[in-house]
Amino acid sequence: GNSVTQMEGPVTLSEEAFLTINCTYTATGYPSLFWYVQYPGEGLQLLLKATKADDKGSNKGFEATYRKETTSFHLEKGSVQVSDSAVYFCALFTGNQFYFGTGTSLTVIP
Amino acid sequence: DTEVTQTPKHLVMGMTNKKSLKCEQHMGHRAMYWYKQKAKKPPELMFVYSYEKLSINESVPSRFSPECPNSSLLNLHLHALQPEDSALYLCASSHSSGREQPQHFGDGTRLSIL
Repeated sequence: GNSVTQMEGPVTLSEEAFLTINCTYTATGYPSLFWYVQYPGEGLQLLLKATKADDKGSNKGFEATYRKETTSFHLEKGSVQVSDSAVYFCALFTGNQFYFGTGTSLTVIP
Repeated sequence: DTEVTQTPKHLVMGMTNKKSLKCEQHMGHRAMYWYKQKAKKPPELMFVYSYEKLSINESVPSRFSPECPNSSLLNLHLHALQPEDSALYLCASSHSSGREQPQHFGDGTRLSIL
């Protein structure tokens, strides 16, 4: 079946620290991969995407590379800010449907 | 601000009430979605409309009734809900239901059932 596994949270980091949130997937066919971010009281916002193997998605200093050999799409940022505090969801799209990971809560402290 | 607008933002209703949630987008998207999200959980897909036709119904109870009057609007009619239906209801849209199309989400309606 299709599924997404994210690292368990919550994650707490100091400002300017390096961030990695792990995401691995299981999918049939050739899925597209996404990271969404959800700030408190809001809906999900697309952060970045990659549609084929070796593609790198990037936005607002965040990056993730579609690794087919390891079925992974880890999210990274070199220097986090307090404003990055949110819940991050890894997702894959295949067969006309999205599959979300369980979400990882990130808190960045000054 | 999001390009998908949901109303109302908050709704409190009794178990015998009938209410509707509304979703609107003017991006020309032809696929629209309803999700249910409980606290600290990922969104769960409820319904998918593609070109105004219901294409996916994820075994949702009949007390939830979706409607797509036109390509810009999506409604979710609620009747005889249960306390466990309290959640954030998210609407999303995409250009089509194709694999490369990201979904754009509204900010949701926070629903509380008394």
